[in-house]
Amino acid sequence: QVTLKESGPAVIKPTQTLTLTCSFSGFSLTTPGMCVGWFRQPPGKALEWLALLDWDEDEYYKTSLKTRLTISKDTSKNQVVLSMTKMDPVDTATYFCARTQLWNDYFGAFDFWGQGTMVTVSS
Amino acid sequence: QPALSQPPSASASLGASVTLTCTLSTGHRDYTVDWYQQRPGKGPRFLVRVGSGGMVGSKGEGIPDRFSVVGSGLNRSLTIRNIQEEDEGDYHCGADHGTGTNFTVEFGGGTKLTVL
Repeated sequence: QVTLKESGPAVIKPTQTLTLTCSFSGFSLTTPGMCVGWFRQPPGKALEWLALLDWDEDEYYKTSLKTRLTISKDTSKNQVVLSMTKMDPVDTATYFCARTQLWNDYFGAFDFWGQGTMVTVSS
Repeated sequence: QPALSQPPSASASLGASVTLTCTLSTGHRDYTVDWYQQRPGKGPRFLVRVGSGGMVGSKGEGIPDRFSVVGSGLNRSLTIRNIQEEDEGDYHCGADHGTGTNFTVEFGGGTKLTVL
């Protein structure tokens, strides 16, 4: 059974760095093809992809946010961590992590998602 | 990279059928699209992938036969038959593009489905 769960601070001040953790089970990020991505959804708005990390530790970032994002993994803990610097009130959103798989240079759908964690940026 | 367009809202009566559309931007008719359901307060749930020729691969875990897709031109449509109360929520379509540093995932604005 594949599960993912996000955790992190509910409130963060502007200019601070946000660190979110995705704890997962039911698969291993050492298995070739496995990947975990991060997304966000501001209240009442669309989903937005942020970053993705594959089993080989290749990192993929949304171009417009690349300078602020870092994605990494702790294989022993089955966790993927996303850091976002210089937080601003416009970054207020629910943040999700999800799993996908890479086959023959093609990504599958994000087939399992976490429940999300709401982050509010406010002084 | 493709842009995806969805109508903001749709409604259907209990037991009826509804078709939700996701339209790709011009020049991207070969792209596959993933449909996701998001119930209130929950994370998205993968439903099905659809290309220009129809469904691609398998549906998401536990997705019933009531959910079907069609791909035609720039449109990637999701039809839900015999609508149930549990089908109410937001429906998102998404597509990935590129490789390496050019990789991105784009989503439509989502359609809010109300079950009457």
